[in-house]
Amino acid sequence: EAGVTQFPSHSVIEKGQTVTLRCDPISGHDNLYWYRRVMGKEIKFLLHFVKESKQDESGMPNNRFLAERTGGTYSTLKVQPAELEDSGVYFCASSQAGDSPLHFGNGTRLTVT
Amino acid sequence: QKEVEQDPGPLSVPEGAIVSLNCTYSNSAFQYFMWYRQYSRKGPELLMYTYSSGNKEDGRFTAQVDKSSKYISLFIRDSQPSDSATYLCAMSFLTGTASKLTFGTGTRLQVTL
Repeated sequence: EAGVTQFPSHSVIEKGQTVTLRCDPISGHDNLYWYRRVMGKEIKFLLHFVKESKQDESGMPNNRFLAERTGGTYSTLKVQPAELEDSGVYFCASSQAGDSPLHFGNGTRLTVT
Repeated sequence: QKEVEQDPGPLSVPEGAIVSLNCTYSNSAFQYFMWYRQYSRKGPELLMYTYSSGNKEDGRFTAQVDKSSKYISLFIRDSQPSDSATYLCAMSFLTGTASKLTFGTGTRLQVTL
């Protein structure tokens, strides 16, 4: 079984540019989550999809972040325009049911200069 | 005050030692407790999870939860160099959104030959 796949693994962009991160969950997993770890801090929840619907987006930092999951398969997280404080590692995770353990991808390391 | 406190380490032990990793938490509503292992440049990998107070054993790993003290532990017996990684505690409320996790900052463990 393929795991959670994230692309790109690393992205370096300038302040003010746009970046789109992609996540492919484990096949059949309806639940998809985005988490973020900024330098020196703990991993923090951003949002949760159930199929194509946003179940909880309470962790999204501001309206520069837009997450989508069209068709309930892969998801994208767009940051527009990027700011320096957006630098960090963005993790995607998926699970089969809402109470089952999460499986994480290897993350996208975003550097905003 | 953070909801979950975890000593960042680093913790260095000789091969074969027993390792004790700990987290404390402040929110008594947390009911679902997990330990993740994260190797460098990889995503968190679930090691153990439990719903209840007490001990849970899986091979060389034992997870312990004390809800009265709001304290959880992970013990690793006969530690190996391959156990060198960052260990993250995580917890959530026992609801339909149980997978919205709150993480500790992680403890970096180094097992030396």
